[in-house]
Amino acid sequence: GQSLEQPSEVTAVEGAIVQINCTYQTSGFYGLSWYQQHDGGAPTFLSYNALDGLEETGRFSSFLSRSDSYGYLLLQELQMKDSASYFCAVSHSTSGTYKYIFGTGTRLKVLA
Amino acid sequence: KAGVTQTPRYLIKTRGQQVTLSCSPISGHRSVSWYQQTPGQGLQFLFEYFSETQRNKGNFPGRFSGRQFSNSRSEMNVSTLELGDSALYLCASSLESAEETQYFGPGTRLLVL
Repeated sequence: GQSLEQPSEVTAVEGAIVQINCTYQTSGFYGLSWYQQHDGGAPTFLSYNALDGLEETGRFSSFLSRSDSYGYLLLQELQMKDSASYFCAVSHSTSGTYKYIFGTGTRLKVLA
Repeated sequence: KAGVTQTPRYLIKTRGQQVTLSCSPISGHRSVSWYQQTPGQGLQFLFEYFSETQRNKGNFPGRFSGRQFSNSRSEMNVSTLELGDSALYLCASSLESAEETQYFGPGTRLLVL
């Protein structure tokens, strides 16, 4: 079957760097996405990795290693507004059908 | 472009009732997916529609159903509501050429009493 694992909670201080890991187990893997969700809000797309390596978008970077079935989201220069839940999501294909699976989310707390 | 809209935003129902939720995707998006979100469970995939056809279905009982109209708007229906159906129901739309990027609506928060 398919599964994703990510830590349930991470705490860091303002200005620091934090890494949120995601390991997955799936067949027909296409790519790994990351979403941010503030309390009471809707998930918003952050990044997508289909190939191995690091993708950088401002203070956020996302990494993928297909051979290790592993990826991470790196947040630099943490700000209080980064306190939110972060979800990794795997897109994969089973029997020719494109599917999307979300992890259970990592709650990031940024302390002043 | 307007974002994904969902109606109603909040709903209170009692056990045994049924409910219909609506989702209007971003203009030009033909794929609409529905998710159930509960504390500690993350986003559980319900089903996905594309061009009025259900392409994928998650592991939910038959009480959960949906449909998509020719204008890509989608509805989901839950019949014979149970207490455990209390959740935030999110819909997301995407472009056929970029399905890895899902745009979520604000959700409908359903409380079943």
